[in-house]
Amino acid sequence: GAVVSQHPSRVICKSGTSVKIECRSLDFQATTMFWYRQFPKQSLMLMATSNEGSKATYEQGVEKDKFLINHASLTLSTLTVTSAHPEDSSFYICSARDQGGRIYGYTFGSGTRLTVV
Amino acid sequence: AQSVTQLDSQVPVFEEAPVELRCNYSSSVSVYLFWYVQYPNQGLQLLLKYLSGSTLVKGINGFEAEFNKSQTSFHLRKPSVHISDTAEYFCAVSLSSNTGKLIFGQGTTLQVKP
Repeated sequence: GAVVSQHPSRVICKSGTSVKIECRSLDFQATTMFWYRQFPKQSLMLMATSNEGSKATYEQGVEKDKFLINHASLTLSTLTVTSAHPEDSSFYICSARDQGGRIYGYTFGSGTRLTVV
Repeated sequence: AQSVTQLDSQVPVFEEAPVELRCNYSSSVSVYLFWYVQYPNQGLQLLLKYLSGSTLVKGINGFEAEFNKSQTSFHLRKPSVHISDTAEYFCAVSLSSNTGKLIFGQGTTLQVKP
């Protein structure tokens, strides 16, 4: 079946630094990638949607200059949290979808626990 | 706009008992419906999905769900739960004709007790 590999699983960084999270589709072409944020005991909030080769579409209230998304290939998307602050600490999850979701639908990565100190 | 409501934030149940996790959605157009399970500090795993066809959908780990268009519901059921089913469950909806954004419900914590 479809597999999405997300790295790192955990990262601790100092306030003011940047962190990059990678999401790779291992055995299918991810034409669309979704990035979510999840606070403890809460649901997943969609941050942005990206199609390969295009600029990401951000949800209302998400700072595009702070959460940089790159989807340069059909198997790799990255989320960079720039100038991270403690309030950015959260669980970030990516989700990949093949063309129209016809074959694999949505496949989720295992998530990244970001702690900003 | 679409929305998903999971009516129960927590559902405690004894091992080997049946369970139903409720999900209602709101949409003026056709939707796809999903149930996902999340274990602590992990991503989401698909349990089952409804795209079209038979309204009774069978998924992994013995779960099933029934799509009821008139009641706009997609409740998840399992006839006999195990301790290992303890997890967070999310119902989600996407429009059948858009870019495919998944809208999630608030989640239901299933607590299976011995």
